[in-house]
Amino acid sequence: ETGVTQSPTHLIKTRGQQVTLRCSSQSGHNTVSWYQQALGQGPQFIFQYYREEENGRGNFPPRFSGLQFPNYSSELNVNALELDDSALYLCASSPVGPTTEAFFGQGTRLTVV
Amino acid sequence: DAKTTQPPSMDCAEGRAANLPCNHSTISGNEYVYWYRQIHSQGPQYIIHGLKNNETNEMASLIITEDRKSSTLILPHATLRDTAVYYCIVRVKDSSYKLIFGSGTRLLVRP
Repeated sequence: ETGVTQSPTHLIKTRGQQVTLRCSSQSGHNTVSWYQQALGQGPQFIFQYYREEENGRGNFPPRFSGLQFPNYSSELNVNALELDDSALYLCASSPVGPTTEAFFGQGTRLTVV
Repeated sequence: DAKTTQPPSMDCAEGRAANLPCNHSTISGNEYVYWYRQIHSQGPQYIIHGLKNNETNEMASLIITEDRKSSTLILPHATLRDTAVYYCIVRVKDSSYKLIFGSGTRLLVRP
């Protein structure tokens, strides 16, 4: 158990719809990162939030957006869902800094049909 | 792109040491080496990290070569529950401290 919780655990959406995924970070962690993991591949960095502001972004289109709240929990929003968005979405929390480990939640399995 | 290369798969016998290699020849002086593992369909689990000295914790040991171009993760007494995909990651510092995952090594621990 890492103390990072994600909801929902599974979700099925139709192409073109919008989805919101949620993440509660571990107590004391002010940085949240989101990753997308397609089947058979390693996780890919989507973006990171630090103190409610985006603090880095990977190679994902603007229809992937996020929020971080004052309690450091976070949301990932994906608009205009495409079939290729089907993946495991992982949230990781950490205290800020290069020497600190990131702790991952169990992920949300999104299926787009 | 990932800054590490790992063998795609390895196996070892239960109770023996598992030694997982990783090459990171382009690592910069202030970049850390991290190891995570992922058991099927679960979130990645942090194992250990280091800069240039060898590190040990309750899960594993990390041996980093003097030139820092490669490292080895050692699970001293592998169990069946250690079967997982192991990722060696160089943590890049830009505006964030993102983790860039490669394809990892699939470790199978045999009974």
